[in-house]
Amino acid sequence: QVQLVESGGGVVQPGRSLRLSCTASGFTFNIYSLFWVRQTPGKGLDCVAVISYDGNYQNYADSVRGRFTVSRDNSKNTLFLQMNSLRPEDTAIYYCARDDLPYSVGAFDYWGQGTRVTVSS
Amino acid sequence: SFELTQPSSVSVSPGQTVRITCSGDVLGNKFGRWFQQKPGQAPVLIIYKDNQRPSGIPERFSGSNSGTTVTLTISGAHVEDEADYYCHSATDNHLGVFGGGTKLTVL
Repeated sequence: QVQLVESGGGVVQPGRSLRLSCTASGFTFNIYSLFWVRQTPGKGLDCVAVISYDGNYQNYADSVRGRFTVSRDNSKNTLFLQMNSLRPEDTAIYYCARDDLPYSVGAFDYWGQGTRVTVSS
Repeated sequence: SFELTQPSSVSVSPGQTVRITCSGDVLGNKFGRWFQQKPGQAPVLIIYKDNQRPSGIPERFSGSNSGTTVTLTISGAHVEDEADYYCHSATDNHLGVFGGGTKLTVL
């Protein structure tokens, strides 16, 4: 079955960096686009980054553009989110999610269990 | 920017029917979907393309669309349906948009 497992979260000071990973199994990784979605108590759910199945297209929410970079290694079935210049408002649970159709960039179906990021001094 | 509006909370008695609405202009030309999230768990897709149920989702969950409003209906609510429900729509920037979530209480 489809499995997505995030890792890399933790507590970090403002201005520092963190790299999240999402390891996938149970499906053909290199034909599905992937998303990073975060959840905060105050603002609910927001998709902050998307990367196409072949890695040639990425897009970012305005709140993270220029600070976060999404990438993928299709040879290792792994999705990444490099987060730089972290701010307290980036504190959230970060989920990776899979597109519901192959060879498309649309909307997601399966989610991982999430990894918690806390930005605090 | 895109927005989806849903009620912050609704309640229902076990066995009764409850409807949760979600409104936004983007739903006029994009499909809506619904996610269920229980405490400490990741969201689970329960409705896609306005009214389609993924395999394994009970038949008591159904969806509909009327223009710019999508509705999630739970017919004969179970106690285990108590959860947060989020509507979602794809958007042209491929990031999508979520509603603010509805806390469903079954009591």
